[in-house]
Amino acid sequence: EVQLVESGGGLVQPGRSLKLSCAASGFTFSNYYMAWVRQAPKKGLEWVATISTSGSRTYYPDSVKGRFTISRDNAKSSLYLQMNSLKSEDTATYYCARDRDSYAQDVSFDYWGQGVMVTVSS
Amino acid sequence: EIVLTQSPTTMAASPGEKVTLTCRASSSVSYMHWYQQRSGTSPKLWIYETSKLASGVPNRFSGSGSGTSYSLTINSMETEDAATYYCQQGSSYPHTFGAGTKLELK
Repeated sequence: EVQLVESGGGLVQPGRSLKLSCAASGFTFSNYYMAWVRQAPKKGLEWVATISTSGSRTYYPDSVKGRFTISRDNAKSSLYLQMNSLKSEDTATYYCARDRDSYAQDVSFDYWGQGVMVTVSS
Repeated sequence: EIVLTQSPTTMAASPGEKVTLTCRASSSVSYMHWYQQRSGTSPKLWIYETSKLASGVPNRFSGSGSGTSYSLTINSMETEDAATYYCQQGSSYPHTFGAGTKLELK
């Protein structure tokens, strides 16, 4: 059974940093692109970052580029999101998600974690 | 950036009623994907590559469309289908989601 379990969320002041983790199990982690998707309270979904199977390629939207860094440790089947210079608008539930088919041209996310809440507030 | 516009924002349907949700893209995309999110839970992939049902999705659901116009149809509404549905494009970066359609039971 595929499982994605996020951790590391919490309350953080604006301008500070936080690192999220996602522990994966039930599949060969190193064979899949992985992503982070967030959802602000009562709002819709926003893609935050994607990383290739080896970790050599990463992708971000402009809203987090230069502040967030996605990384992975295939030996530990773990995904990470380092978030720096946090803003109030980064307050959201952050989901770890698996790219359904890393060899497909089009990207969709077939498994999601339960999410972890990040609150940015003074 | 490709903007996805979903309509309606909210709707209510009676059991047995046919339901159609739409998603329009600001530029042409190769496929559209759909997610179901029930209150307080994580999103679930529901339809991928426009018309393929994800594992476990009832066959009363279907998806169609091309270019900039896509739809998700429920042939006969059931209680368990009440949820928010999001469309998503993965044809280009940044990957984007629609704002969602909240489907309620009448």
